[in-house]
Amino acid sequence: AQKITQTQPGMFVQEKEAVTLDCTYDTSDPSYGLFWYKQPSSGEMIFLIYQGSYDQQNATEGRYSLNFQKARKSANLVISASQLGDSAMYFCAMREGRGSSGSARQLTFGSGTQLTVLP
Amino acid sequence: NAGVTQTPKFRVLKTGQSMTLLCAQDMNHEYMYWYRQDPGMGLRLIHYSVGEGTTAKGEVPDGYNVSRLKKQNFLLGLESAAPSQTSVYFCASADRLYEQYFGPGTRLTVT
Repeated sequence: AQKITQTQPGMFVQEKEAVTLDCTYDTSDPSYGLFWYKQPSSGEMIFLIYQGSYDQQNATEGRYSLNFQKARKSANLVISASQLGDSAMYFCAMREGRGSSGSARQLTFGSGTQLTVLP
Repeated sequence: NAGVTQTPKFRVLKTGQSMTLLCAQDMNHEYMYWYRQDPGMGLRLIHYSVGEGTTAKGEVPDGYNVSRLKKQNFLLGLESAAPSQTSVYFCASADRLYEQYFGPGTRLTVT
C-alpha cells in the first residue's frame, strides 16, 4: 500500500485565493511526522511546514497551514492568498518513528501536486 | 553556511561508465541521504547514513554504492551506469530535530 497518497496531479487557483492540496498517509506507527516541500521549476526542494503526530494544534507557517486530521489520516496543505510565485510542485512526505537512537529518520514522499496560480 | 552542496550539477554518461556524486554538508548533521527523482514522481530513497562510517540501503539501492568516510561527506557511486539510472539525484542531511535539508540536485543522463 502507498504510504503517502496525493490524489491531485494538478491544481489551478486564482491569484489571492486560498487552495488546499490533499495528502493522505498510511502508517501503524503511533509516532510520525508529516512534511510538505515545495519544488519550483528551478528544481530545489524547499521545506514548508511540519506536523508531528502528537502535536495538539495544526501547524502554521506564514501563509501555509496544515489541516491535520489524525483519525482520517490526512494532512492537507492550505495556502492562503495565493501568489504567482507559489506555482510549483508540492510534495507531502512522512517520517515514521520518534527518531531515537538508531532510527534513520528517512522520508517517504508522495507523487506530488503541480500547482499553477493564475493571474 | 553553504548548507548542502552537490557536485556535479549535471553529467552525461554512456552506458557502462562509472561515476561518483559528492554530497557535502557543513551543518555537522549526523544523518545523510541520497534520493532519486524520476519525471512526474516523488523522491525515492536510495541509500542513507546515520553517522560517519555507516551506510544502509533504502527503497531503490540496486546499481548504487555509497560511502561515508567523513561526517560531512556522503558519496554515491554508479559502477556501471544504465539508462534506467537517468534521473535527478538529491542529497539531504538532517540533525536530531525533524527537518531534512536538501542539496540543489544533480541531473544525470545515461545514454
